[in-house]
Amino acid sequence: EAGVTQSPRYAVLQEGQAVSFWCDPISGHDTLYWYQQPRDQGPQLLVYFRDEAVIDNSQLPSDRFSAVRPKGTNSTLKIQSAKQGDTATYLCASSNRGRDTQYFGPGTRLLVL
Amino acid sequence: QQKVQQSPESLIVPEGGMASLNCTSSDRNVDYFWWYRQHSGKSPKMLMSIFSNGEKEEGRFTVHLNKASLHTSLHIRDSQPSDSALYLCAASNTNTGKLTFGDGTVLTVKP
Repeated sequence: EAGVTQSPRYAVLQEGQAVSFWCDPISGHDTLYWYQQPRDQGPQLLVYFRDEAVIDNSQLPSDRFSAVRPKGTNSTLKIQSAKQGDTATYLCASSNRGRDTQYFGPGTRLLVL
Repeated sequence: QQKVQQSPESLIVPEGGMASLNCTSSDRNVDYFWWYRQHSGKSPKMLMSIFSNGEKEEGRFTVHLNKASLHTSLHIRDSQPSDSALYLCAASNTNTGKLTFGDGTVLTVKP
């Protein structure tokens, strides 16, 4: 069974540039999560979906971050105008029914200069 | 304030020794605890989960849970250098499925 896939694996930006991250969850998983993991910290939930619906985006900086999952499968997380404080690894995870084990993708390491 | 606190921040144990890691949630709505392991440069992978009071053992790994105090601990016996990693504790509520992670314990196993 294929795991969670993410792309790109790395991104380097100047402040003010935009970037998009893409995630393909495990087939059949209805719940998809985006986390931000700064260096030397645990993952922090940004947003999660059940099918195509946003369930919780309360931790998403809404002025610059957006996330969609239009068909309830793949998802895109976008940062409109990156700041140095956005430097982190962005992890996508998926689970079945939202209560089972969350499986993480390899992550995207973002460096904002 | 961090809702999931882990201790110690870092831990060094000799190969073959016992590693003990602790985790406490301050959110009384949680009812499930998870332990993930994250090797350097890799993504977190689930080790064990527990929702009932008591103990659960899988191989060299044992997890304890005290629901009254919302405290869980992970014990690794016969530690191996390959166990060196960041150990993350997470708590969740089964109604929402949301995980709240602590900042982890960095375990180093010295050969």
